[in-house]
Amino acid sequence: DVKVTQSSRYLVKRTGEKVFLECVQDMDHENMFWYRQDPGLGLRLIYFSYDVKMKEKGDIPEGYSVSREKKERFSLILESASTNQTSMYLCASSLTGSYAEAFFGQGTRLTVV
Amino acid sequence: DQQVKQNSPSLSVQEGRISILNCDYTNSMFDYFLWYKKYPAEGPTFLISISSIKDKNEDGRFTVFLNKSAKHLSLHIVPSQPGDSAVYFCAAKTGGYQKVTFGTGTKLQVIP
Repeated sequence: DVKVTQSSRYLVKRTGEKVFLECVQDMDHENMFWYRQDPGLGLRLIYFSYDVKMKEKGDIPEGYSVSREKKERFSLILESASTNQTSMYLCASSLTGSYAEAFFGQGTRLTVV
Repeated sequence: DQQVKQNSPSLSVQEGRISILNCDYTNSMFDYFLWYKKYPAEGPTFLISISSIKDKNEDGRFTVFLNKSAKHLSLHIVPSQPGDSAVYFCAAKTGGYQKVTFGTGTKLQVIP
């Protein structure tokens, strides 16, 4: 079974803090993704990576950066957390291919106070 | 610019009846479509998919229909069960490109 593991289920951070969200997958997938889920807005793509050290902006990259130093690990960084970044963050991974589905982690509920 | 739209935020259905969840898209380059199911406090899980070369794909109680000319797809669940109560996301991608675009989700409640 594919396993995508996010380091925390719940996080509470203060405004202005630098926040790291970690994600690890164990199925040697080339692609990894970070989404955020907000009520009424669905899942919106923040960044994705198709190879080690490669990244591409998604639909809402502002205020975020990412790091992929190893194939199995993809980190999302909030450089200076703000209250509008309070959200559910979801990491996913997939193989490369037209018909490859994405597998998701359990999510991290981040609250910025 | 919402390229994948689920216009019904919620749907209630009696147990045993059919649930029909709808999805519209605007990008004609999309050629692969997926449905995901999400329970509270869990990540989405893949449910069923369809390629643009087909108009129907069936897996047990779940069937997805694709109408390319209308840029519309639907997910049918027959018969609906209380365990199907979840948020369902429609998603789409362009072949060869790994980015997946999701809709806003429809919350399905199946009433026993």
